[in-house]
Amino acid sequence: LAKTTQPISMDSYEGQEVNITCSHNNIATNDYITWYQQFPSQGPRFIIQGYKTKVTNEVASLFIPADRKSSTLSLPRVSLSDTAVYYCLVGEEGSQGNLIFGKGTKLSVKP
Amino acid sequence: DAGVIQSPRHEVTEMGQEVTLRCKPISGHNSLFWYRQTMMRGLELLIYFNNNVPIDDSGMPEDRFSAKMPNASFSTLKIQPSEPRDSAVYFCASSFQGGLDEQFFGPGTRLTVL
Repeated sequence: LAKTTQPISMDSYEGQEVNITCSHNNIATNDYITWYQQFPSQGPRFIIQGYKTKVTNEVASLFIPADRKSSTLSLPRVSLSDTAVYYCLVGEEGSQGNLIFGKGTKLSVKP
Repeated sequence: DAGVIQSPRHEVTEMGQEVTLRCKPISGHNSLFWYRQTMMRGLELLIYFNNNVPIDDSGMPEDRFSAKMPNASFSTLKIQPSEPRDSAVYFCASSFQGGLDEQFFGPGTRLTVL
């Protein structure tokens, strides 16, 4: 069961790029890395998923180094509305490992 | 599609009472998940169904909790008897197939047990 470690909180300012790193030292060969975002009083929302190298969508980029022992979620030019909790999950299909959200990283974006 | 629907949105009850939370997953999704969220413990998976069959219920805290999925469009999470420590937000989520697929979460039910 791959365990993840993320910073508890981060602060940023509007317009800046934010990088949230997640450590998963014992990631398995078949594990994927998934990030979710949760706004206050709402359920989490899927952001991005990857296996290796770089994945980009309209919301964020996910950088995964060759050893896959960590991953970085990159949010370009954040706004106040990006203030949320961000969760990193690691696991393979069929395992509960993919479903451990933990406490995530609370990102606060200031004006 | 209206997304994952949960009811009630808020529930206040007294210790010892039975509580039933309801969830309607997105049509066509084969997997359904029940989560509990508290400040202390974060977001925890309680139980996971695939094709209406419970796959993993190791997260269910104790025998007071039970979950059913009688058909593909409906699931319940029951707590009997309820205790103050059960106070939390309970989320239901669904995905096309499994936990690796994008999970779509409902708005949650905020449960307060007095």
